[in-house]
Amino acid sequence: DAMVIQNPRYQVTQFGKPVTLSCSQTLNHNVMYWYQQKSSQAPKLLFHYYDKDFNNEADTPDNFQSRRPNTSFCFLDIRSPGLGDAAMYLCATSKFPGQGIPSTDTQYFGPGTRLTVL
Amino acid sequence: AQSVTQLGSHVSVSEGALVLLRCNYSSSVPPYLFWYVQYPNQGLQLLLKYTSAATLVKGINGFEAEFKKSETSFHLTKPSAHMSDAAEYFCAVVTGTASKLTFGTGTRLQVTL
Repeated sequence: DAMVIQNPRYQVTQFGKPVTLSCSQTLNHNVMYWYQQKSSQAPKLLFHYYDKDFNNEADTPDNFQSRRPNTSFCFLDIRSPGLGDAAMYLCATSKFPGQGIPSTDTQYFGPGTRLTVL
Repeated sequence: AQSVTQLGSHVSVSEGALVLLRCNYSSSVPPYLFWYVQYPNQGLQLLLKYTSAATLVKGINGFEAEFKKSETSFHLTKPSAHMSDAAEYFCAVVTGTASKLTFGTGTRLQVTL
């Protein structure tokens, strides 16, 4: 089945130690998103890629970076995790018709990576 | 800017009872609206979406939602709750032209025997 895969499902890191979260997809979608979801809160968009075009949300901290080496893979790098970065990180994908056209295409989510910062 | 508001962070119903989860939107243009469900420690799964076709939208697992422009609402309903419906439910709206979703704060549905 076509799907969105996130690895690892659970990640423990130390305060200040860089960590990378991985997302892959078999849907061949051109858009990939990263969301941060803290406990009992709604997912908050960090950034997204439209093909190779990176789009950062205005309030995403510089501590968060992303890479998309090809259509299938996208990585979230947290350069110096703080205690406040402990959260569930969700990857999602969608098809997008093109810039300037609102899309109703569904976003497909992976199962998430729960990050713990010690 | 488009946004959604979910009334009630927690809703509890008995098994077999009607489920009603409320979502109101704010948008200056016709909105595209979604309902997603999230089970514990899982990602989000689409239940249904409104894309300006039929105002009554049927989704998976027996859920449906009705778009009411006069009330700026898109409430989610299910005639008979099942224990497996216990989860977090998010209403969302597409914002801008980049297919970005803005989520409501979520409603946790509890189903009791």
